[in-house]
Amino acid sequence: EVQLVESGGGVVRPGGSLRLSCAASGFTFDDYGMSWVRQGPGKGLEWVSGINWNGNNRADADSVKGRFTISRDNAKNSLFLQLNSLRAEDTALYYCARSKFSSSWYYLDLWGQGTLVTVSS
Amino acid sequence: QSALTQPASVSGSPGQSITISCTGPSSVFGSYNLVSWYQHHPGKGPKLIIFEVSNRPSGVSSRFSGSKSGNSASLTISGLQAEDEATYYCSSYTGTSTNIFFGGGTKLTVL
Repeated sequence: EVQLVESGGGVVRPGGSLRLSCAASGFTFDDYGMSWVRQGPGKGLEWVSGINWNGNNRADADSVKGRFTISRDNAKNSLFLQLNSLRAEDTALYYCARSKFSSSWYYLDLWGQGTLVTVSS
Repeated sequence: QSALTQPASVSGSPGQSITISCTGPSSVFGSYNLVSWYQHHPGKGPKLIIFEVSNRPSGVSSRFSGSKSGNSASLTISGLQAEDEATYYCSSYTGTSTNIFFGGGTKLTVL
């Protein structure tokens, strides 16, 4: 089955860190760029970070630049998001999503179910 | 506040057609046709229903169509069905900026 499964969410204090993972299956992972997208409580979708097929090209939203790092391990069919210096406004459901293209991270045609990150003291 | 502006809600009866608008500055839309639309049902991951302004991924109903003119894009759903009730997001990628932008989302209610 073609799917993405996120994990690693949880409750963390402001200033803390988390590492999210996304396990891909059912398709050739290194044929595709990937993105992380989040949805805060009662809010819309917000793109967070993107990475191309081999990890040599990445981008982050201004709201997370310098705090979050996207990476991938093609040998393990996995995508990661390292979240540092977390703030209350980072509280959200974080989705892993696959791009239609290898060289970029837009036109997201496969999404996971999301993993919840709660930043609270 | 989202870079792309959508109406918060829209409604229609089964069988009718509705259109959702999406507007934004040229710095977000750019001169490229890199506009997409997503359908999001609660508790599920979003689903890509339109890319490159008007193209449908395989398996998406022809009842969904998209268009763009200048700094405004539109999604039209014809022959409304109960299962169309969801939140719809427009999205753009300028090609010059590396960022993806989403609209605030439009909640469609099928009466």
